[in-house]
Amino acid sequence: AQSVTQLGSHVSVSEGALVLLRCNYSSSVPPYLFWYVQYPNQGLQLLLKYTSAATLVKGINGFEAEFKKSETSFHLTKPSAHMSDAAEYFCAVSESGNTPLVFGKGTRLSVIA
Amino acid sequence: GAGVSQSPSNKVTEKGKDVELRCDPISGHTALYWYRQSLGQGLEFLIYFQGNSAPDKSGLPSDRFSAERTGGSVSTLTIQRTQQEDSAVYLCASSLDGGRGTEAFFGQGTRLTVV
Repeated sequence: AQSVTQLGSHVSVSEGALVLLRCNYSSSVPPYLFWYVQYPNQGLQLLLKYTSAATLVKGINGFEAEFKKSETSFHLTKPSAHMSDAAEYFCAVSESGNTPLVFGKGTRLSVIA
Repeated sequence: GAGVSQSPSNKVTEKGKDVELRCDPISGHTALYWYRQSLGQGLEFLIYFQGNSAPDKSGLPSDRFSAERTGGSVSTLTIQRTQQEDSAVYLCASSLDGGRGTEAFFGQGTRLTVV
C-alpha cells in the first residue's frame, strides 16, 4: 500500500535561508508524487508534481523537488525563503490511475524576518 | 465554474443532528474526491467518484457517513447523528479524469464544528 511520511510537523527558517521540507514515500509501483501548499484559510494548491519524466521538478514560486528512487524521497526545496512562503505543505503519492492521492500529515513552514 | 466551490464555508451543529456538505466541482471534471482534514492529522481520504459512481468508498469512517453525486457534477456529503469527533475541515477536490498524473483542484473546504 502507498504511504507518505513527512519528517517534521513544523519547520522554521529565517527569511532568505534555504527551505528544505522532507518527504519519503512507500509504493509498490513507480509512484507519481506531488507537493501541495495550503495558505491560511485557503484550499490546497499544486506546487509541483513528478510523473516519471525528469527527476528534478520545478514548480511555482521558486520551489523544486528531486525524486530519488534509491532513497524513496521527494524532498521540497527553495534556495531563499520569503515571508509569503509561510504555509502548510503536503506531500502526496498516487500509485495507480483512478485512485485517490494519499497525503502526508503536512509540514507547517514558518518564515522569520 | 472557475474553481471548486464548497458550501457552507462554516457549519456549527449540535451533536446528534444531521448535516449536508455540498461540493460543486470544476465544470467538465469527471473525478471528485472528499477528504477530511483534522488538526495535525493531514488529509484523510473519505470517498472518490468517477462520474456518478463511487469506486472507492474505503475511507468513510462509519455508516453515519454517506455521499452521492448527481449528473456527474454536484456532490453532497451527509453526516448523520453527528459526533464531536466529526469536527474537522471537509475538503472537496476534482480532477479532469482521475488519471494518475492529473492535478486535483481543491475547494476551500467546509469547517464543521459539532458542539
